[in-house]
Amino acid sequence: DIQMTQSPSSLSASIGDTVTITCRASQGFTNSLAWYQQKPGKAPKLLVYAASRLESGVPSRFSGSESGTHYTLTISSLQPEDFATYYCQQYFSLPLTFGGGTKVEIK
Amino acid sequence: VQLQESGPGLVIPSQTLSLTCTVSGGSITSGIYYWSWIRQLPGKGLEWIGYIYYSGSANYHPSLKSRVFISVDTSKNQFSLKLTSVTAADTAVYYCARLFRDYGDSGLDHWGQGTPVTVSS
Repeated sequence: DIQMTQSPSSLSASIGDTVTITCRASQGFTNSLAWYQQKPGKAPKLLVYAASRLESGVPSRFSGSESGTHYTLTISSLQPEDFATYYCQQYFSLPLTFGGGTKVEIK
Repeated sequence: VQLQESGPGLVIPSQTLSLTCTVSGGSITSGIYYWSWIRQLPGKGLEWIGYIYYSGSANYHPSLKSRVFISVDTSKNQFSLKLTSVTAADTAVYYCARLFRDYGDSGLDHWGQGTPVTVSS
């Protein structure tokens, strides 16, 4: 199984801040990574796939990038509705695996 | 496209957990989609259970493979999950979701609202 190590597990930020969340894969692959946002009591929502492609309807302040086995989700100019938990997920090989999550809280 | 889980919210230990996901607003036989089950243990992250293609071909998480069976009913636009010999460790919110696979791109782009399942006597 490919293990996805996500960091940090939580962070505090203010409205307008830029936030960066990272996932590191235990095995190398290219591009096969998605990011999700989950709010309490709700299902996850797809934000980014193929490491950097924005899902339709997702605000442009969200962006994804890849560098080797490290994948990054950046949220520019944090908005009130962005406070949530974020997960990465690899789809390079089965079983599909998720990172442990990053909770973004209001400072 | 909308997905909706249904099934018992309480299962007795050692019994079988059975859930159904009804897909509306689109056909389950669309070629680029795999119909998935994911669960979230209380206060924890997400775990992929398995998925099925409309043809009936399924893949399961190795840790659950001996206890899981996913089936599809194209006539009803539904797919189902059975998890046998459940224990308290199977208590979770269970989600059904649509996974697209298109020229190497993929993602779980539509999810059900999730259904909580408690394993307890």
